[in-house]
Amino acid sequence: DIQMTQSPSSLSASVGDRVTITCRSSQNIDYYLNWYQQKPGRAPKLLIFAASNLQSGVTSRFSGRGSGTDFTLTISSLQPEDSATYYCQQSVSTLVYTFGQGTRLEI
Amino acid sequence: EVQLVESGGGLVQPGGSLKLSCAASGFTFSGSPMHWVRQTSGKGLEWVGRIRSGANKYATKYAASVNGRFTISRDDSKNTAYLQMNSLKIEDTAIYYCCRPAKLGACDYWGQGTLVTVSS
Repeated sequence: DIQMTQSPSSLSASVGDRVTITCRSSQNIDYYLNWYQQKPGRAPKLLIFAASNLQSGVTSRFSGRGSGTDFTLTISSLQPEDSATYYCQQSVSTLVYTFGQGTRLEI
Repeated sequence: EVQLVESGGGLVQPGGSLKLSCAASGFTFSGSPMHWVRQTSGKGLEWVGRIRSGANKYATKYAASVNGRFTISRDDSKNTAYLQMNSLKIEDTAIYYCCRPAKLGACDYWGQGTLVTVSS
């Protein structure tokens, strides 16, 4: 199975900061990479699909980049409500989908 | 409005079985694949498996950790997907979510989750 590795595992930032979370896959997954936000006690929420496409209704402060094996999620102008755990997920349809281990963001 | 509602969770002994349901509404269920994802207490997300639509022969795929023990099925007449879990282990204790993958495999709608506890 493809392994997804996120870094950092946790980070602390301030309101107004810009942060970047990295996700690396163990194999080439083209652009089949999604990002989710999860808050305690809630189901995950889709932020970015296909590496760089913003899900409808999600603030443009979130952006995604990358292809192949290296991907990033950037959150600009951090807000208190961005405190959450962020997960990447590869979704190559012929394979077992896998998630990264998560990045906990504290504001 | 798209809604996914899981049910069937509960307490089960190791080696036991449990069947979860995911009732869907607000979209054309029969044409959509459905996925199951779980989350252990305080830990990350683990993709469990998926079932494709009838047009894709209801093909299923599973994570290695559950392959051979879990079975995903669906009843399009009831707009419901199922997760049959057999030979349950303590490490299967988790919140189980169903989700609808809409865009290149990304799940845009999720249920609220149902808790499965495997314990003696």
